[in-house]
Amino acid sequence: DIQMTQSPSTLSASVGDRVSITCRASQSVSTWLAWYQQKPGKAPNLLIFKTSSLESGVPSRFSGGGSGTEFTLTISGLQPDDFATYYCQQYKISPYTFGQGTKLEIK
Amino acid sequence: QVQLVESGGGVVQPGRSLRLSCEASGFTFSYYGMHWVRQVPGKGLEWLSFISADGSEKSYAESVKGRFTISRDNSKNMVYLQMSSLRGEDTAEFYCARAGIRFPYLHYWGQGTLVTVSS
Repeated sequence: DIQMTQSPSTLSASVGDRVSITCRASQSVSTWLAWYQQKPGKAPNLLIFKTSSLESGVPSRFSGGGSGTEFTLTISGLQPDDFATYYCQQYKISPYTFGQGTKLEIK
Repeated sequence: QVQLVESGGGVVQPGRSLRLSCEASGFTFSYYGMHWVRQVPGKGLEWLSFISADGSEKSYAESVKGRFTISRDNSKNMVYLQMSSLRGEDTAEFYCARAGIRFPYLHYWGQGTLVTVSS
């Protein structure tokens, strides 16, 4: 199985900051990587698919990059609504494993 | 708009079985693969199972292989997760999700149904 590892596990930042979350795969997933946002008590929402393709309606301050085994989710100009937990997921091969999550907290 | 509504959760004793259902609407159900994902309260997401649009392909996480079975009924716009030999560690919120049109990322999610395994 492909293991997905996110760092950091927790990230403290302020409104307006630019932050990045890293996701590493134990073997290459090419660009078959998605990012999800989850707020407390809610289901996750798709943010980005195929590494860098923004889901419809997702603000352009979110961006994704990388390939192979290392990926990043960047949020430029944090807004209050962005404080949530973020998960990466590879969908190159089943089982379609998630990272353990990164909780983005207000500093 | 796409809607996915899970049902069937509740309290179940260890060793017993339970079937979760997910009713889909707002899209042509038979065109899309479907997933089940779970989340232990306060923990991360765990992908469980996928079924292809026509039901011919199924895959499972190792943690549930042999105990959980995914199925679908395209005539009813339903996907199911049959769970057997339930354990305390299966206690979680269970989500169904629709795949992308050609790729199995999780495009749309239901709101979840809680399964509690307890005597």
